[in-house]
Order: sequence, then C-alpha cells, then structure tokens
Amino acid sequence: NAGVTQTPKFQVLKTGQSMTLQCAQDMNHNSMYWYRQDPGMGLRLIYYSASEGTTDKGEVPNGYNVSRLNKREFSLRLESAAPSQTSVYFCASSEGRGYYEQYFGPGTRLTVT
Amino acid sequence: KNEVEQSPQNLTAQEGEFITINCSYSVGISALHWLQQHPGGGIVSLFMLSSGKKKHGRLIATINIQEKHSSLHITASHPRDSAVYICAGPNSGGGADGLTFGKGTHLIIQP
Repeated sequence: NAGVTQTPKFQVLKTGQSMTLQCAQDMNHNSMYWYRQDPGMGLRLIYYSASEGTTDKGEVPNGYNVSRLNKREFSLRLESAAPSQTSVYFCASSEGRGYYEQYFGPGTRLTVT
Repeated sequence: KNEVEQSPQNLTAQEGEFITINCSYSVGISALHWLQQHPGGGIVSLFMLSSGKKKHGRLIATINIQEKHSSLHITASHPRDSAVYICAGPNSGGGADGLTFGKGTHLIIQP
C-alpha cells in the first residue's frame, strides 16, 4: 500500500496563478484533511471531508477550495495564489470521524512569489 | 476550539538521556495524538491514547484526562530520535473536524 500520496512535491507560483494540489489514499478511509504548516505556527486545518460527498471548512479556509472527487481523492485548489499561501501543505486521512489515527502524506512545499 | 500547548519548544540532550515532552490542552477530550516529524518533513503517528499509558519500543506516552495533560517520554535516547514531536487533540471534544496541533518540540540528541 502506498498510503497517502500527494502531488506535486514542490511548486513555485507567481501571485495570481492558480493550481490544484492532489491527494489520494489507498486505505479505504472515509475522512480526509488538508493542513498547512508554517514556521512557528504548527499545523492548521484548512478543509476536511468527513465522508465522500461532504466537505467542511477548517480553521484557515480563505483562498482555498476543495473537492472530494471520490472516496480515494481529495484535492485542494488555490484559485489566485498569494504570497501568504507560501507554506507546506499536508494531506491526511483517517478511518472515520472522531478518535481515529491520522495518516499523513509526504507534503507539498509551495512558494508563491 | 481546543488550544494545545507543548513544552519545551526546543530540547538538546546527550545520547542515553531520558527525555520528557509535555502537552496540555484546553478542551476536555477522550484521546490525544503524538506525532513525529522527521528532518525530511514527513509526519508519522506515534500514539493515539485515551487513558493511562502506551509503550512502543523506547517511547512511552501517558495521559491524564482529568488534568488535560499528556507526556511523551523517550528512554535511552539516541541521535536517530532527533526530530520534531507534535501533540494534537481534536478541534472539538468530539473530534469530528480534524486536529488542533501544538507547535512542536524540536529535539536534538547529540552523540
């Protein structure tokens, strides 16, 4: 099993450009999450999907949209990138809502100039 | 919203020392996560615990639900334990909407 995979690993964007970060899991998990990690801030929840067909905002959703394409895939879209979105993005999945272990992807390092 | 605080932020120790990292949280929860982030950036789950103590190799995690406090201990520390250790609790008590993370403890074990 590959676990949680993310693409791309690195990306540089200019301000105003758009892009989609892809995430897929092969563990048949119901819940998926997008986090961002900034120096000195810790990981923060952007969006989550408790189950296929549902998505909800987390702590820092502004400037992002998500799509739960199917049970396996959960994408994060930046419509008009801003320098404040320079960060490392992690996708994670868990078996269900509540008290389940979360499994993390390798991360995407995004720089917006 | 749960607030998660970790201490210390940075810790440097000699190989073989006993290490303790502390975590406190504000919202009553039934489980807490301990994660390890490698120097390369990958994050792995070490423990999820709801009461008492769990042990995996040289790592021990304890939690006191009443005091809203958890500790991660490393016995006989080794340079390969050098990493960032992160504790996390559910955003809300129910845990349905992702995790709130501490800022992490950057641990360096010197040979």
